[in-house]
Amino acid sequence: DIHMTQSPSTLSASVGDRVTITCRASQTIDGWLAWYQQKPGKAPKLLIQRASSLQSGVPSRFSGSRFGTEFTLTISSLQPDDSATYYCQHYHSIPWMFGQGTKVEIK
Amino acid sequence: EAQLLESGGGLAQPGGSLRLSCAATGFLVMSNDMNWVRQAPGKGLEWVSSLPEGTAGTYYAGSVKGRFTTSRDDSKNTFYLEMNSLRVDDTAVYYCAKRTGYGYGLDVWGQGTAVTVS
Repeated sequence: DIHMTQSPSTLSASVGDRVTITCRASQTIDGWLAWYQQKPGKAPKLLIQRASSLQSGVPSRFSGSRFGTEFTLTISSLQPDDSATYYCQHYHSIPWMFGQGTKVEIK
Repeated sequence: EAQLLESGGGLAQPGGSLRLSCAATGFLVMSNDMNWVRQAPGKGLEWVSSLPEGTAGTYYAGSVKGRFTTSRDDSKNTFYLEMNSLRVDDTAVYYCAKRTGYGYGLDVWGQGTAVTVS
């Protein structure tokens, strides 16, 4: 199984800050990685797929990148609506695995 | 607009069974990869099962293999998760989700249905 290690588990930042979340895969997953945003009591929402492809309708302040087996989600200018938990997920091979999640709080 | 609506959750006893349904509107279940993902209370997301478009093959997480069965009814445009031999640690909100095909993420999710095994 390919495991995803996501960090940090929580972060607190101010409106306008640049925020970065990292996921590291235990082995190569090529670019088969997605990022999701989940707000309390709601279903996850797809933000990015194929490591860096922004889903239609998602604000351009969200971006994704890859360096080998390390993937990052960046929010270029944090907004109040971005308060949520973020998950990475690989879909390289079965079983698909999610990262542990990063809770983003607004100071 | 593509939408998914789950139903069938509830309370079950350990060793019992439940069947979850996921009704799709705005797209054809048979033309998409259909999936189940669950989330235990206060925990993260866990992939449960995938049924790729068109094919007879299904895939399961090790934690549910042999106990859960995924299927679909194309005439009803509905996707199912049959859960048998339920355990306390199957307690979770179950989401159905679709992806357009290979290489895509899970782009449409249902609202979730809660399953409690106690």
